[in-house]
Amino acid sequence: AQKVTQAQTEISVVEKEDVTLDCVYETRDTTYYLFWYKQPPSGELVFLIRRNSFDEQNEISGRYSWNFQKSTSSFNFTITASQVVDSAVYFCALRGGGTSYGKLTFGQGTILTVHP
Amino acid sequence: DVKVTQSSRYLVKRTGEKVFLECVQDMDHENMFWYRQDPGLGLRLIYFSYDVKMKEKGDIPEGYSVSREKKERFSLILESASTNQTSMYLCASSLWTLTMNTEAFFGQGTRLTVV
Repeated sequence: AQKVTQAQTEISVVEKEDVTLDCVYETRDTTYYLFWYKQPPSGELVFLIRRNSFDEQNEISGRYSWNFQKSTSSFNFTITASQVVDSAVYFCALRGGGTSYGKLTFGQGTILTVHP
Repeated sequence: DVKVTQSSRYLVKRTGEKVFLECVQDMDHENMFWYRQDPGLGLRLIYFSYDVKMKEKGDIPEGYSVSREKKERFSLILESASTNQTSMYLCASSLWTLTMNTEAFFGQGTRLTVV
């Protein structure tokens, strides 16, 4: 069975603060994929990043960065210099390899509120 | 631009009604999914389909059924709506690849209230 845990239910920060959203996963698959999605108030999940289990390089995209550590089964997401527009629910998700047909297992989500 | 469209943003139905939630995607994706989103529980998979007329149960299929008669359309059916099915329902689609490494694209969600 697969499991994704996002320890923080809600985070509240003031604009320009850095914030890290934690994600820990469990899987028996040797090949798997990790994802982060953002859900703004409009409701639609927006894809942010995908990471393969065999690629542990960290990634930076503008103010966003991701730290993937297989040894601790974690895939954390950091927003640098947060902005009000970053306020959303963020989901970490896991997809196993093999015949999973693309099914995603989601974490509980972290509600991020950035105050001006 | 990939587009996944759900037929309604908001629905209010009565207990016992048969409810249809429709989802259409325009990118010729093989895989389609129905998730349910509840606070503190994240998204949970109800059903998915990897081809026309093919369907598989997800983690919480009880009380639901699905239909996929055409590749672009995936319907979720609540046979007899109950108040515990009040939730946000999200449809998604993704391309089938051998490595299954492509992201899923989501619709805007349908907030269903059963009274």
